[in-house]
Amino acid sequence: GESVGLHLPTLSVQEGDNSIINCAYSNSASDYFIWYKQESGKGPQFIIDIRSNMDKRQGQRVTVLLNKTVKHLSLQIAATQPGDSAVYFCAEMGRGGATNKLIFGTGTLLAVQP
Amino acid sequence: GAGVSQSPSNKVTEKGKDVELRCDPISGHTALYWYRQSLGQGLEFLIYFQGNSAPDKSGLPSDRFSAERTGGSVSTLTIQRTQQEDSAVYLCASSFNRGQEGYTFGSGTRLTVV
Repeated sequence: GESVGLHLPTLSVQEGDNSIINCAYSNSASDYFIWYKQESGKGPQFIIDIRSNMDKRQGQRVTVLLNKTVKHLSLQIAATQPGDSAVYFCAEMGRGGATNKLIFGTGTLLAVQP
Repeated sequence: GAGVSQSPSNKVTEKGKDVELRCDPISGHTALYWYRQSLGQGLEFLIYFQGNSAPDKSGLPSDRFSAERTGGSVSTLTIQRTQQEDSAVYLCASSFNRGQEGYTFGSGTRLTVV
């Protein structure tokens, strides 16, 4: 079936460094992508999204890059802070069907070292 | 309310018992989703409700699982004859329309079957 996967299950960075979390998706029909952050004991929290007609989108300290040629998505976090420590999920949504449901990857644990 | 509310936050039940999990979506959100998250895993789609349309039940793992949404608002996920493999965090999310503005998740119900 269709799936979204992550290259790195765990990423450890020093406080102040930039973080890059990568994600591969397999459904070429997907046209909407979201990054979520999940802290322990909480539900996923929306960070940033991007549509397939874009290749880059910036938010506050975060940037999402989309490469449709190789079906790759990345999340860049600038000046990583201890509060950024969490599990990060990418998710994709495709056209077609009655349900535009998000398909989630398995997540990457970001550990920020002080 | 301001966010998606789920209850109970924790549920311990004996194998073979039935459980009901409740979700109160954000007022005005027409779409409601249930996901399941096993320990250290990504989110697994279970079921989707959109307005008065027939729900998409394609993610329900067995006929022991069912869900309903009354009056287009509150939803209840029911698991009959619980098994140990049902132990997980059950997450509810809601969104406007078909979700291409992102979902808002609740904090989940942690279900433990003993």
